[in-house]
Amino acid sequence: EAQVTQNPRYLITVTGKKLTVTCSQNMNHEYMSWYRQDPGLGLRQIYYSMNVEVTDKGDVPEGYKVSRKEKRNFPLILESPSPNQTSLYFCASSRRGGSYEQYFGPGTRLTVT
Amino acid sequence: AQSVTQLGSHVSVSEGALVLLRCNYSSSVPPYLFWYVQYPNQGLQLLLKYTSAATLVKGINGFEAEFKKSETSFHLTKPSAHMSDAAEYFCAVRTDQGGSEKLVFGKGTKLTVNP
Repeated sequence: EAQVTQNPRYLITVTGKKLTVTCSQNMNHEYMSWYRQDPGLGLRQIYYSMNVEVTDKGDVPEGYKVSRKEKRNFPLILESPSPNQTSLYFCASSRRGGSYEQYFGPGTRLTVT
Repeated sequence: AQSVTQLGSHVSVSEGALVLLRCNYSSSVPPYLFWYVQYPNQGLQLLLKYTSAATLVKGINGFEAEFKKSETSFHLTKPSAHMSDAAEYFCAVRTDQGGSEKLVFGKGTKLTVNP
């Protein structure tokens, strides 16, 4: 089954404790992206990757890091989480070009206390 | 820069009534437009997409949307609402900025269906 998976689905952590949210897709997509969703703000892009070893900032990159060492994986790293990073996070993937339909993971709900 | 505006953060309809969710876009080029649905505690699922073919696009679950260039609109409709349609709906436009492709989302419209 074609899918995007994320882990963990739920995470409660404390300020400053480094964490990683994993994202993996099995569709051989070149493009992957991370979004955060906050009430009233919709989805905002954090980082994206056009292909292996190619990443760039989205609209709200502060406090986040990413890497793309393999085509299927695109982890999101919070080196020193803060309470304002409490949010719902989505990973997405798509083929480059064409209609650019994105496939979304199930989401990771992060709470930073 | 391309953008989308969804009019109405909350829409409430009765079961069996028409559903109309509004989306206006801003784009200097022919746009690719999308509607996604998010059911509670789930990720986003594609409802339908416009890719410059037919202006009336049919999607899943009985939804459709009409692209109107003169009005820069891409409103989502369904003739008869079901309780299972209660969800949040997002309109999005594909944009190419600085050589990067991305989707820009509206802020979402939460649909409530009353029995």
